[in-house]
Amino acid sequence: EVQLVESGGGLVQPGGSLRLSCTASGFAFSDHNMDWVRQAPGKGLEWVGRSRGKGNSYTTEYAASVKGRFSISREDSKKSLYLQMNSLKTEDTAMYYCASIAVGYWGPGTLVTVSS
Amino acid sequence: SYELTQPPSVSVSPGQTARITCSGDALSKMYAYWYQQKPGQAPVLVIYEDSRRPSGIPERFSGSSSGTMATLTISGAQVDDEADYYCYSTDSSGNQVVFGGGTKLTVL
Repeated sequence: EVQLVESGGGLVQPGGSLRLSCTASGFAFSDHNMDWVRQAPGKGLEWVGRSRGKGNSYTTEYAASVKGRFSISREDSKKSLYLQMNSLKTEDTAMYYCASIAVGYWGPGTLVTVSS
Repeated sequence: SYELTQPPSVSVSPGQTARITCSGDALSKMYAYWYQQKPGQAPVLVIYEDSRRPSGIPERFSGSSSGTMATLTISGAQVDDEADYYCYSTDSSGNQVVFGGGTKLTVL
């Protein structure tokens, strides 16, 4: 059974940092492109970024809204994906999902709240 | 930046056919994918690569793409199909993923 579980969400002040983690099981993690997708309260889905799989040399891509502030990494030996978020803004408040969107694998999400 | 455009809402009666469109310049070259999301739940993939249906998704869900528009069709919509539906694709470089703004489907 495919499972993705996110952790690390919480309340952080504007300008602060937070690191999200995602642990995968039930599929060949290293072969898959892995994405972070967020959803602000009452809003639509927004793609945050991607870590491509082994076959695509683990390259990363980011949405313009987070480029330079967020960083995605992965550790295939631990079947884990990470999202380092720096210089957080109130508009980064959202549910953050770890996913492999092309194949429909999603975690339940972890909530990040940026507020003073 | 690249955008995908969806109608904000679509409404049908039970048993009717619901069609949700997604338009974007790169859709003539790039695949469209469709997600269903119900309140408080993670999205569920209902169509991938324009028209392929994942296992477990009912046959009433189908997808098509022509030119710069992709369409999700729900034939014989049921009350249980009420949800938000999102298309996604990539820009022409294949590097930037974009979600459409979402369409709220009402079946009543």
